[in-house]
Amino acid sequence: DIQLTQSPSSLSAYVGDRVTITCQASQDISNYLNWYQQKPGKAPKLLIYDASNLETGVPSRFSGSGSGTDFTLTLSSLQPEDIATYYCQHYDDLPITFGQGTRLEIK
Amino acid sequence: EVQLVESGGGVVRPGGSLRLSCAASGFTFDDYGVAWVRQGPGKGLEWVSGINWNGGRTRYADSAKGRFTISRDNANKSVDLQMNSLRVEDTAVYYCARVHNSGFLYYFDSWGQGALVTVSS
Repeated sequence: DIQLTQSPSSLSAYVGDRVTITCQASQDISNYLNWYQQKPGKAPKLLIYDASNLETGVPSRFSGSGSGTDFTLTLSSLQPEDIATYYCQHYDDLPITFGQGTRLEIK
Repeated sequence: EVQLVESGGGVVRPGGSLRLSCAASGFTFDDYGVAWVRQGPGKGLEWVSGINWNGGRTRYADSAKGRFTISRDNANKSVDLQMNSLRVEDTAVYYCARVHNSGFLYYFDSWGQGALVTVSS
């Protein structure tokens, strides 16, 4: 199975800060990597697909990059509504796996 | 509007069975694969099972193989997850999610609200 390791596990930042979350795959997965946002008590919501494509309706302050084994989710300017847990997910092969999550908080 | 609505969650004893259902609306159901993804209390997301557009192919996580069965009814736009021999570690919120193609491997672009399954004696 392909393992996805996210870092950091938790992150605290100020409103307006630039925030970066990384996801490392245990083997080359090309660009078969997606990112989700999950707020407490809610279902996950797709943010980025194919490593760098912004899902329709997602604010442009979110962006994704990377290929192979190293991927990044960036928030250019943190907003209060971005408080959530973020997960990466690969689809290179079955089983599909998710990273362990990164919890984002406001300082 | 795309909607997925899960039902059938509840409390069950270890070794018992439960059947979850996912009702879809707002899109051409048989164009898409569907997956079940679960989240244990305070834990991350785990892919459990997937079914392709016509139900002809199904796949399972190792944790579900031999105990869970996924099926779909395209006429009624629904997907079921039959869960047998339930264990305490199966306790989780189970989400139904639409795969953005007709198979298993891509992104999940719509999710249901989740169904809570609690396995406890």
